[in-house]
Amino acid sequence: SQELEQSPQSLIVQEGKNLTINCTSSKTLYGLYWYKQKYGEGLIFLMMLQKGGEEKSHEKITAKLDEKKQQSSLHITASQPSHAGIYLCGADLLFNSGGGADGLTFGKGTHLIIQP
Amino acid sequence: GAGVSQSPRYKVAKRGQDVALRCDPISGHVSLFWYQQALGQGPEFLTYFQNEAQLDKSGLPSDRFFAERPEGSVSTLKIQRTQQEDSAVYLCASSLDWADSTSYEQYFGPGTRLTVT
Repeated sequence: SQELEQSPQSLIVQEGKNLTINCTSSKTLYGLYWYKQKYGEGLIFLMMLQKGGEEKSHEKITAKLDEKKQQSSLHITASQPSHAGIYLCGADLLFNSGGGADGLTFGKGTHLIIQP
Repeated sequence: GAGVSQSPRYKVAKRGQDVALRCDPISGHVSLFWYQQALGQGPEFLTYFQNEAQLDKSGLPSDRFFAERPEGSVSTLKIQRTQQEDSAVYLCASSLDWADSTSYEQYFGPGTRLTVT
């Protein structure tokens, strides 16, 4: 089963509209990372959240980690064509898995399309 | 400064061939990671280096996969006797010092797209 579930899988939004992407874990998250990926390119770091209730913003993108640290949301305000791409949440699940992988575990991604 | 670079960007290999993928991390970054990303999926962890030491290779899918970082800088991911299921984008990432703090983000390279025919 997928350790990090992202929803929706894909999203088509009219330019100028707001949108939200969710990332849910069945385990407590010790570090939740949001990345953006354009087709054929690497991942671009957006934000990292560590504390329950933490919220960070960069330009028109805001990310939150809920108090229980099992869900994060990424909110884009007044979407623009430049926001199009695949949004990935990644988490360090090491502390939860008792010695599991040292890298990040990623969700499958949310494919965002902005319609002009 | 320069980011993480990977070469080649695209590689086509015939089934059974060996391939070598190169990663140049950001200068000074102690930690280096390899991920495999299949089409339509998120990246999956393969292996992790701290300087030249390979601390975790639990994600390598088979013994055909081998990674090294002999001088603690450039890393090579080698796949022997490639199979069609090896077709994927291979991403390299580096971090300042993952063991010291996972609050240091991982910076990703553009990836190498491997197609096995």
